[in-house]
Amino acid sequence: KAGVTQTPRYLIKTRGQQVTLSCSPISGHRSVSWYQQTPGQGLQFLFEYFSETQRNKGNFPGRFSGRQFSNSRSEMNVSTLELGDSALYLCASSSTPDSLYGYTFGSGTRLTVV
Amino acid sequence: KQEVTQIPAALSVPEGENLVLNCSFTDSAIYNLQWFRQDPGKGLTSLLLIQSSQREQTSGRLNASLDKSSGRSTLYIAASQPGDSATYLCAVRFQAGGTSYGKLTFGQGTILTVHP
Repeated sequence: KAGVTQTPRYLIKTRGQQVTLSCSPISGHRSVSWYQQTPGQGLQFLFEYFSETQRNKGNFPGRFSGRQFSNSRSEMNVSTLELGDSALYLCASSSTPDSLYGYTFGSGTRLTVV
Repeated sequence: KQEVTQIPAALSVPEGENLVLNCSFTDSAIYNLQWFRQDPGKGLTSLLLIQSSQREQTSGRLNASLDKSSGRSTLYIAASQPGDSATYLCAVRFQAGGTSYGKLTFGQGTILTVHP
């Protein structure tokens, strides 16, 4: 059974550009959450999608956005990149938001903004 | 504000020792608590999940306990091995209605080093 797949694994972007990250959840999982991990702030919640609807959002500026497709795959987009956006972006999936089995995380996308 | 704190921030032990990692949370109204392991530059691997109604969970050499009334969880690692070296993260899903959907609140982690 395949795990949570995130692509690409590494990205280098220039300040001011935009970037799109992709997450394919475990087959059958319909809830997808996104997190940003930095050395200073640790793991911070970005947003959660279930059945193509964003149901929760963390305290991030509007430059951070996402969406979920009918096959449960999710993308997140960051526009007008800033140096501080350099981070490991992690995606997690669950069968439902209230699953008794918790969340399974992907390996992450390492974004470097120069 | 719902927060999760982990102590110690770092721990270095010789191989074979039994050790305890601590996690505390500010709100006893939780849905569940999950312990993860993270190797450098990698994603998170789930170790144990404790539901709000449970007191402990065990998997191999790992045992996690939950005391909601005191807002604490501990992860016990028996007979530590160098391969256990990693960052251990505690994550809580608080009960807060819609604001808890899909959201885990993480501690800052404990960096564990087990030396031969």
